[in-house]
Amino acid sequence: KAGVTQTPRYLIKTRGQQVTLSCSPISGHRSVSWYQQTPGQGLQFLFEYFSETQRNKGNFPGRFSGRQFSNSRSEMNVSTLELGDSALYLCASSFTRGDTQYFGPGTRLTVL
Amino acid sequence: AQSVTQLGSHVSVSEGALVLLRCNYSSSVPPYLFWYVQYPNQGLQLLLKYTTGATLVKGINGFEAEFKKSETSFHLTKPSAHMSDAAEYFCAVTSTGGFKTIFGAGTRLFVKA
Repeated sequence: KAGVTQTPRYLIKTRGQQVTLSCSPISGHRSVSWYQQTPGQGLQFLFEYFSETQRNKGNFPGRFSGRQFSNSRSEMNVSTLELGDSALYLCASSFTRGDTQYFGPGTRLTVL
Repeated sequence: AQSVTQLGSHVSVSEGALVLLRCNYSSSVPPYLFWYVQYPNQGLQLLLKYTTGATLVKGINGFEAEFKKSETSFHLTKPSAHMSDAAEYFCAVTSTGGFKTIFGAGTRLFVKA
Protein backbone atom coordinates (compact mmCIF):
# COMPACT_ATOMS: atom_id res chain seq x y z
CA LYS A 1 0.00 0.00 0.00
CA ALA A 2 1.41 3.38 -0.94
CA GLY A 3 2.34 5.69 1.90
CA VAL A 4 1.45 9.30 2.47
CA THR A 5 2.67 11.49 -0.34
CA GLN A 6 3.31 15.22 -0.20
CA THR A 7 3.94 17.59 -3.05
CA PRO A 8 6.04 19.45 -3.71
CA ARG A 9 8.97 18.24 -1.63
CA TYR A 10 10.76 21.59 -1.76
CA LEU A 11 9.54 25.13 -2.28
CA ILE A 12 11.22 28.50 -2.30
CA LYS A 13 9.02 31.57 -2.02
CA THR A 14 9.47 35.24 -1.18
CA ARG A 15 7.81 37.23 1.55
CA GLY A 16 4.25 38.24 0.79
CA GLN A 17 3.58 35.39 -1.61
CA GLN A 18 1.19 32.57 -0.93
CA VAL A 19 1.73 28.83 -1.17
CA THR A 20 -0.36 25.69 -1.42
CA LEU A 21 0.88 22.33 -0.22
CA SER A 22 -0.75 19.03 -1.08
CA CYS A 23 -1.11 15.77 0.80
CA SER A 24 -2.45 12.43 -0.43
CA PRO A 25 -3.23 10.09 2.46
CA ILE A 26 -2.86 6.34 2.55
CA SER A 27 -5.71 4.72 0.68
CA GLY A 28 -8.68 4.25 3.00
CA HIS A 29 -7.49 6.78 5.55
CA ARG A 30 -10.01 9.50 6.24
CA SER A 31 -8.22 11.70 8.76
CA VAL A 32 -5.45 14.09 7.75
CA SER A 33 -3.43 16.27 10.09
CA TRP A 34 -0.83 18.92 9.34
CA TYR A 35 2.18 19.88 11.42
CA GLN A 36 4.86 22.55 11.18
CA GLN A 37 8.37 21.55 12.22
CA THR A 38 11.07 24.12 12.95
CA PRO A 39 14.33 23.85 14.90
CA GLY A 40 13.14 26.41 17.44
CA GLN A 41 9.53 25.35 17.99
CA GLY A 42 9.68 21.66 17.22
CA LEU A 43 6.58 19.90 15.90
CA GLN A 44 3.49 22.06 16.16
CA PHE A 45 -0.01 20.97 15.28
CA LEU A 46 -1.69 23.04 12.58
CA PHE A 47 -5.05 21.38 11.93
CA GLU A 48 -6.88 18.11 11.50
CA TYR A 49 -9.46 17.23 8.87
CA PHE A 50 -11.90 14.37 8.88
CA SER A 51 -14.72 13.81 6.40
CA GLU A 52 -13.95 17.14 4.72
CA THR A 53 -14.44 19.07 7.98
CA GLN A 54 -11.82 20.74 10.13
CA ARG A 55 -12.05 19.04 13.53
CA ASN A 56 -9.12 20.55 15.39
CA LYS A 57 -7.03 23.64 14.94
CA GLY A 58 -3.70 24.61 16.43
CA ASN A 59 -2.59 28.03 17.55
CA PHE A 60 -1.65 29.55 14.20
CA PRO A 61 -2.78 32.79 12.58
CA GLY A 62 -5.56 32.88 10.03
CA ARG A 63 -2.98 33.06 7.22
CA PHE A 64 -2.79 29.29 7.61
CA SER A 65 -5.77 27.46 6.20
CA GLY A 66 -6.59 24.07 4.81
CA ARG A 67 -9.21 21.90 3.29
CA GLN A 68 -9.97 18.28 2.60
CA PHE A 69 -11.60 16.86 -0.47
CA SER A 70 -14.09 14.03 -0.81
CA ASN A 71 -11.28 11.61 -1.68
CA SER A 72 -9.56 12.56 1.61
CA ARG A 73 -6.74 14.40 -0.12
CA SER A 74 -5.87 17.59 1.69
CA GLU A 75 -4.29 20.92 0.92
CA MET A 76 -2.97 23.61 3.16
CA ASN A 77 -2.47 27.20 2.16
CA VAL A 78 -0.33 29.90 3.67
CA SER A 79 -1.00 33.44 2.51
CA THR A 80 1.21 36.51 2.89
CA LEU A 81 4.28 34.47 3.67
CA GLU A 82 6.67 35.62 6.38
CA LEU A 83 10.29 34.63 6.94
CA GLY A 84 9.22 32.73 10.05
CA ASP A 85 7.05 30.43 7.96
CA SER A 86 10.16 28.67 6.70
CA ALA A 87 9.77 25.14 7.99
CA LEU A 88 9.19 21.50 7.19
CA TYR A 89 5.46 20.95 6.80
CA LEU A 90 4.40 17.41 7.60
CA CYS A 91 1.16 15.73 6.73
CA ALA A 92 -0.07 12.64 8.56
CA SER A 93 -2.99 10.38 7.78
CA SER A 94 -4.87 7.90 9.92
CA PHE A 95 -7.73 5.50 9.32
CA THR A 96 -9.96 7.40 11.68
CA ARG A 97 -9.65 10.09 14.31
CA GLY A 98 -7.29 9.23 17.16
CA ASP A 99 -5.82 6.29 15.29
CA THR A 100 -2.12 5.87 14.56
CA GLN A 101 -0.81 8.61 12.31
CA TYR A 102 1.43 7.83 9.35
CA PHE A 103 3.58 10.65 8.15
CA GLY A 104 4.61 11.80 4.71
CA PRO A 105 8.16 12.94 3.91
CA GLY A 106 7.21 16.58 4.29
CA THR A 107 7.45 19.73 2.21
CA ARG A 108 10.44 21.94 2.94
CA LEU A 109 9.33 25.56 2.54
CA THR A 110 11.92 28.31 2.43
CA VAL A 111 10.76 31.92 2.52
CA LEU A 112 13.29 34.51 1.34
CA ALA B 1 -4.56 20.40 28.75
CA GLN B 2 -2.13 17.87 27.46
CA SER B 3 1.63 18.21 27.54
CA VAL B 4 4.62 16.04 26.77
CA THR B 5 8.08 16.41 28.26
CA GLN B 6 11.10 14.64 26.88
CA LEU B 7 14.01 14.81 29.27
CA GLY B 8 17.24 15.52 27.47
CA SER B 9 17.37 17.14 24.06
CA HIS B 10 20.52 15.13 23.31
CA VAL B 11 21.49 11.65 24.48
CA SER B 12 24.77 9.98 23.59
CA VAL B 13 25.46 6.26 24.04
CA SER B 14 28.13 3.85 22.90
CA GLU B 15 27.33 1.17 20.37
CA GLY B 16 26.03 -1.86 22.24
CA ALA B 17 24.95 0.14 25.29
CA LEU B 18 21.45 0.52 26.66
CA VAL B 19 19.31 3.24 25.13
CA LEU B 20 16.90 5.03 27.47
CA LEU B 21 14.87 7.99 26.22
CA ARG B 22 12.52 9.54 28.74
CA CYS B 23 9.00 10.80 28.19
CA ASN B 24 6.53 12.14 30.73
CA TYR B 25 3.06 13.36 29.86
CA SER B 26 0.07 15.02 31.39
CA SER B 27 -3.44 14.39 30.22
CA SER B 28 -6.86 14.85 31.77
CA VAL B 29 -8.16 11.70 30.09
CA PRO B 30 -6.47 8.35 29.38
CA PRO B 31 -4.25 9.04 26.42
CA TYR B 32 -2.84 7.09 23.54
CA LEU B 33 0.96 7.22 23.59
CA PHE B 34 3.39 6.97 20.71
CA TRP B 35 7.07 7.02 19.92
CA TYR B 36 8.23 8.13 16.49
CA VAL B 37 11.69 8.30 14.94
CA GLN B 38 12.85 10.83 12.37
CA TYR B 39 15.92 10.44 10.19
CA PRO B 40 17.41 13.53 8.51
CA ASN B 41 15.23 15.06 5.80
CA GLN B 42 12.50 12.49 6.29
CA GLY B 43 9.09 12.32 7.87
CA LEU B 44 8.30 10.57 11.13
CA GLN B 45 8.18 6.79 11.35
CA LEU B 46 6.14 5.03 14.02
CA LEU B 47 8.22 2.96 16.44
CA LEU B 48 5.47 1.80 18.77
CA LYS B 49 2.21 2.80 20.41
CA TYR B 50 0.19 2.21 23.54
CA THR B 51 -3.58 2.40 23.51
CA THR B 52 -4.93 -0.10 26.03
CA GLY B 53 -3.98 -3.46 27.47
CA ALA B 54 -0.44 -4.64 28.14
CA THR B 55 1.66 -1.81 29.48
CA LEU B 56 4.92 -3.08 27.97
CA VAL B 57 4.83 -2.38 24.27
CA LYS B 58 7.26 -3.77 21.75
CA GLY B 59 8.03 -1.91 18.58
CA ILE B 60 10.21 -2.11 15.54
CA ASN B 61 14.01 -2.29 15.48
CA GLY B 62 14.20 -3.79 18.99
CA PHE B 63 12.66 -0.83 20.80
CA GLU B 64 10.14 -1.13 23.58
CA ALA B 65 8.36 1.20 25.99
CA GLU B 66 6.49 0.79 29.22
CA PHE B 67 3.39 2.77 30.15
CA LYS B 68 3.46 3.64 33.85
CA LYS B 69 0.26 5.39 34.77
CA SER B 70 1.34 6.18 38.33
CA GLU B 71 4.45 7.94 37.03
CA THR B 72 2.75 9.35 33.90
CA SER B 73 5.72 8.07 31.95
CA PHE B 74 6.31 6.24 28.70
CA HIS B 75 10.07 5.78 28.46
CA LEU B 76 11.63 4.21 25.36
CA THR B 77 14.37 1.61 25.71
CA LYS B 78 16.55 -0.61 23.57
CA PRO B 79 18.98 -3.09 25.16
CA SER B 80 21.81 -2.59 22.68
CA ALA B 81 22.33 0.51 20.56
CA HIS B 82 23.30 0.26 16.93
CA MET B 83 24.88 2.96 14.80
CA SER B 84 21.75 3.01 12.65
CA ASP B 85 19.68 4.10 15.69
CA ALA B 86 21.19 7.59 15.51
CA ALA B 87 18.20 9.83 14.81
CA GLU B 88 15.70 12.10 16.52
CA TYR B 89 13.00 10.51 18.62
CA PHE B 90 9.63 12.02 19.44
CA CYS B 91 7.15 11.04 22.10
CA ALA B 92 3.53 11.94 21.36
CA VAL B 93 0.24 11.93 23.21
CA THR B 94 -3.19 11.77 21.64
CA SER B 95 -6.17 12.69 23.75
CA THR B 96 -8.93 10.14 23.52
CA GLY B 97 -11.35 12.98 23.96
CA GLY B 98 -10.59 15.59 21.32
CA PHE B 99 -8.14 13.43 19.33
CA LYS B 100 -5.54 16.18 19.34
CA THR B 101 -1.91 14.97 19.20
CA ILE B 102 0.84 16.79 21.04
CA PHE B 103 4.50 16.02 20.41
CA GLY B 104 7.42 16.36 22.74
CA ALA B 105 10.37 18.53 21.78
CA GLY B 106 12.35 15.51 20.62
CA THR B 107 15.54 13.80 21.76
CA ARG B 108 18.46 13.46 19.39
CA LEU B 109 20.25 10.17 19.92
CA PHE B 110 23.95 9.92 19.10
CA VAL B 111 25.63 6.50 18.93
CA LYS B 112 29.40 6.36 19.34
CA ALA B 113 31.49 3.61 17.83
